[in-house]
This record gives sequence, structure tokens and C-alpha cells, in this order.
Amino acid sequence: GDSVTQMEGPVTLSEEAFLTINCTYTATGYPSLFWYVQYPGEGLQLLLKATKADDKGSNKGFEATYRKETTSFHLEKGSVQVSDSAVYFCALSDRLWGAQKLVFGQGTRLTINP
Amino acid sequence: GAVVSQHPSRVICKSGTSVKIECRSLDFQATTMFWYRQFPKQSLMLMATSNEGSKATYEQGVEKDKFLINHASLTLSTLTVTSAHPEDSSFYICSASPPGQGSINEQFFGPGTRLTVL
Repeated sequence: GDSVTQMEGPVTLSEEAFLTINCTYTATGYPSLFWYVQYPGEGLQLLLKATKADDKGSNKGFEATYRKETTSFHLEKGSVQVSDSAVYFCALSDRLWGAQKLVFGQGTRLTINP
Repeated sequence: GAVVSQHPSRVICKSGTSVKIECRSLDFQATTMFWYRQFPKQSLMLMATSNEGSKATYEQGVEKDKFLINHASLTLSTLTVTSAHPEDSSFYICSASPPGQGSINEQFFGPGTRLTVL
């Protein structure tokens, strides 16, 4: 079945460091790819998405490019802030399912120290 | 906009009792709601999909008689864990999806409910 594998955490960085959280997927169809973020005490929020190969999703300084050849959707940010501390989930939604179901990676906890 | 609430945020119950968790879409109508379960340091696992006014569709391995889902209105879905046991202790998360967003229906997530069964 479809699956998402993301970089194990926790990840701890200093403020203004460069961030990469790796995400790879396996899918039988043509998935859309997502990054969700969960801040402490809050629900998951959509951070960015890409719906087809070579699309780049971006939001709040975060970027991820849909790489079909490497089945990857790595999350990057050039200069992280303390406020970016959260748990990040990579996910896919396969159009074979009617684009309704999300399959999540295990989540990566990110802590940014001042 | 697009706020989803869950109640309660935490619940502790005795083994053998039933617990009801509510999921509400506060500022939009949700034709579809989803229930997930999250184990510590693990991913969210979809339990079931519910559409307003119809029976829920359960994922393989999820006991429909144990996890009763009701989606009686466009803003409310409930998950009832019946005859709860300690192994049902987990973090339960709901999400809601409004209609009319084309092929990629964004899901808006609630903050989750921590269930502990003693």
C-alpha cells in the first residue's frame, strides 16, 4: 500500500540555521503531497502542498518540491526561527482514492533554540 | 476561518465504560469528517471516514462496533469508544473537509482528544 517515510526526529537546531526534513513516499497512483505542522496544543495545519511532479509548494519561508524521479518531497527553510518549533508531518493523498484519504509519515519534532 | 474543535481535550475513564468524543466544524459545513488515531511517536492512522447522513466507512482492522461514528449534521461528528479497554488509550484526532474544493479537498484538523483508560 501507499506509504510515507520521513526523517526521524527529534531535530534540534539553532535559530537562523538551515532546515531540511526528508520525506519519501511510495504510491501506486499519482499522489498529491503535503506538509502539515502541529504547534503545541493545536491541531494539524496545512503548511504547503504540491499536486504534480516538479511543483514547488511554499509558505512562511518553507519550501518543498515534488520530485517524482526520487519519490521525495523534502521540506526546507533557509533560516529557522524559534517560532518554527513544532511537529512536522509529511502526507500524501492518492487520487485513486478520490483524493480524500491522507497517509501520514510518522512526524518529525523540530526544536529551535535561540 | 476553517476552525475545527474537539471535546473533551482529555478524558480518563474506567475499563468497560463508553466515552464519546465530539468534533465540530465551527465556521463551515463539513460534508466529510475523518477520525484518526495517533500512538506515541507514531503517525496518524485513519480510522474511518464519515459523510453527513450516511454510515461511516471504516478502515481495515478498525472495529465498527467498538468505534461508533455518527455524523448527524454538517457541523458535528461524534466518535464513541464502547466498552473501552486500556489498549484503546490513545490520541484521537478528527478532521473536517468542506465541499466544493475540487479534487484536492483540504482537511482541517481538530486539536485532538487524549483518552486514557484505566
